[in-house]
Amino acid sequence: ELKVEQNPLFLSMQEGKNYTIYCNYSTTSDRLYWYRQDPGKSLESLFVLLSNGAVKQEGRLMASLDTKARLSTLHITAAVHDLSATYFCAVDTSYKYIFGTGTRLKVLA
Amino acid sequence: SAVISQKPSRDICQRGTSLTIQCQVDSQVTMMFWYRQQPGQSLTLIATANQGSEATYESGFVIDKFPISRPNLTFSTLTVSNMSPEDSSIYLCSVELHGRVGETQYFGPGTRLLVL
Repeated sequence: ELKVEQNPLFLSMQEGKNYTIYCNYSTTSDRLYWYRQDPGKSLESLFVLLSNGAVKQEGRLMASLDTKARLSTLHITAAVHDLSATYFCAVDTSYKYIFGTGTRLKVLA
Repeated sequence: SAVISQKPSRDICQRGTSLTIQCQVDSQVTMMFWYRQQPGQSLTLIATANQGSEATYESGFVIDKFPISRPNLTFSTLTVSNMSPEDSSIYLCSVELHGRVGETQYFGPGTRLLVL
């Protein structure tokens, strides 16, 4: 059974600091996705990572994928309060997405 | 990118009743997906709905409890039958298409269900 684990589950960080969220998965997949969910809202697509070594960046967020290590990272640079949300990774297996446990991020002013 | 809408946006229901949730997309898509997100939890796939065929259910979900219709390429419904308080969740539909960030699943706004 495919498992997708994120850590940390909860992250409280100061504005201006850097941090990384990790997404580990237990089976082979070349496609991984990152989403953001604000409280009471649906999911917003952030990144699509389609191959080993893929790196995507938007604003203060950068995502990467290492398919050999079965690991994706979401790096936050100089965090701001607006980044407070829950972040999910999802692994694509035969057109089914298996979602990670989620990381609840709170950026403190 | 496509616009995905769901109705109702929220509802409060009595146990033992059923609720049908609608998902509408403004472009034609082959596959539509239904997920459940229990409070404070991650998303769990309920079923995949292809137009013209029976929905494919994931382990732990059965057609009698969650019947799905997919009458055309832009519309699907999920019914939550014989509800109990344990069915209180957010129900989300999604479609896979090429949008702002690339080809991935894009989600509707969700239906927040509370069963008393």
